[in-house]
Amino acid sequence: GEDVEQSLFLSVREGDSSVINCTYTDSSSTYLYWYKQEPGAGLQLLTYIFSNMDMKQDQRLTVLLNKKDKHLSLRIADTQTGDSAIYFCAEKNNDMRFGAGTRLTVKP
Amino acid sequence: GAVVSQHPSRVICKSGTSVKIECRSLDFQATTMFWYRQFPKQSLMLMATSNEGSKATYEQGVEKDKFLINHASLTLSTLTVTSAHPEDSSFYICSARDLRVPTYEQYFGPGTRLTVT
Repeated sequence: GEDVEQSLFLSVREGDSSVINCTYTDSSSTYLYWYKQEPGAGLQLLTYIFSNMDMKQDQRLTVLLNKKDKHLSLRIADTQTGDSAIYFCAEKNNDMRFGAGTRLTVKP
Repeated sequence: GAVVSQHPSRVICKSGTSVKIECRSLDFQATTMFWYRQFPKQSLMLMATSNEGSKATYEQGVEKDKFLINHASLTLSTLTVTSAHPEDSSFYICSARDLRVPTYEQYFGPGTRLTVT
């Protein structure tokens, strides 16, 4: 099937920016998403971007989409310890497909 | 936003028994519900998709006789793990959409952690 890939780990210092990257293979994806999962909890939708957009900003979150390269990124500005979690990239055409998740660790 | 609940949040059962997990859409009607399974430190794997009033469509490799899905109403879907074994221990997450409404979002439940001893 179609794949969504992410790096598994990212560690940053509090106050720095975090950039989580994702690549996908389905060129027919209509929406791309970023979800946050805290330990033992379900998925929380952080933000999404429609496939005909290049960028979306929402407070500390900036999503960049390079449709040609099928590359999606999530930038978290001024990263806080509460941002420590697993971040999943997902793409949707008919079904929603998830990446393996990037575990973000924020060090004080 | 719309809310999806799951019950129970945690369950421990003995090998050979069956466990039922409920997924409810609380403030919207879900024409379609999805069941995912998540292993530790891994991504969500789609198990099956169910449409209200129809039989579920299972992903390749998922045993439909072991994971029984019922979507009898627009607000409730159930997943029954039959004759559970320790390898069925996992985090099960449901998700719901109303396909009659154009929307980008698929709403997720908080998950159910199943431990089979």
